[in-house]
Amino acid sequence: DARVTQTPRHKVTEMGQEVTMRCQPILGHNTVFWYRQTMMQGLELLAYFRNRAPLDDSGMPKDRFSAEMPDATLATLKIQPSEPRDSAVYFCASGHARQLPEGAYEQYFGPGTRLTVT
Amino acid sequence: AQKITQTQPGMFVQEKEAVTLDCTYDTSDPSYGLFWYKQPSSGEMIFLIYQGSYDQQNATEGRYSLNFQKARKSANLVISASQLGDSAMYFCAMREGNAFKTSYDKVIFGPGTSLSVIP
Repeated sequence: DARVTQTPRHKVTEMGQEVTMRCQPILGHNTVFWYRQTMMQGLELLAYFRNRAPLDDSGMPKDRFSAEMPDATLATLKIQPSEPRDSAVYFCASGHARQLPEGAYEQYFGPGTRLTVT
Repeated sequence: AQKITQTQPGMFVQEKEAVTLDCTYDTSDPSYGLFWYKQPSSGEMIFLIYQGSYDQQNATEGRYSLNFQKARKSANLVISASQLGDSAMYFCAMREGNAFKTSYDKVIFGPGTSLSVIP
């Protein structure tokens, strides 16, 4: 049963520290997404990649957040320096975009990383 | 403006009964897709069902069906024969455009509806 995996599952850190979250997408999926979920804002798209190339990171605070895909099996989301307002659950999701005019593909979500910045 | 509206913050349903979770959407694009996801208390997001804007029939997936009313821009989720394990947050989501649009991959999520199944 293929799944998206994320590490760590929980992270508590102090303000100002660097945080790196990792995601392993489902093998064969060519699109990877990073979302952030908070009670106030709901689920927000931060960035996504197609075939490892960043397509959109407009949802991400550029000054402190960065997202990369060093290879097809690893996506990273880094926050430096972290702030208390970054406390949230960060989800990675992957999918395989099919080349259809109205092609739809579902996103499979990882279990999330619950980040607490004190 | 809100693209996805879920007007029911919380719902209760008796076990074995059917329940409808409302979702309305706003788009001017003729091509779009609608999704429902379930998020149990454990936190993971689980894909449930998909409806394309050009699909002639309502999508069904086991006990889940999507009541798609295009003219009203609604995509309500119907869960038949509710089970205790159905207690969760349910999110309606939409993708606009087709695969040739650069914004195609972006999925917008609604605020969610919390469903509680009562034994």
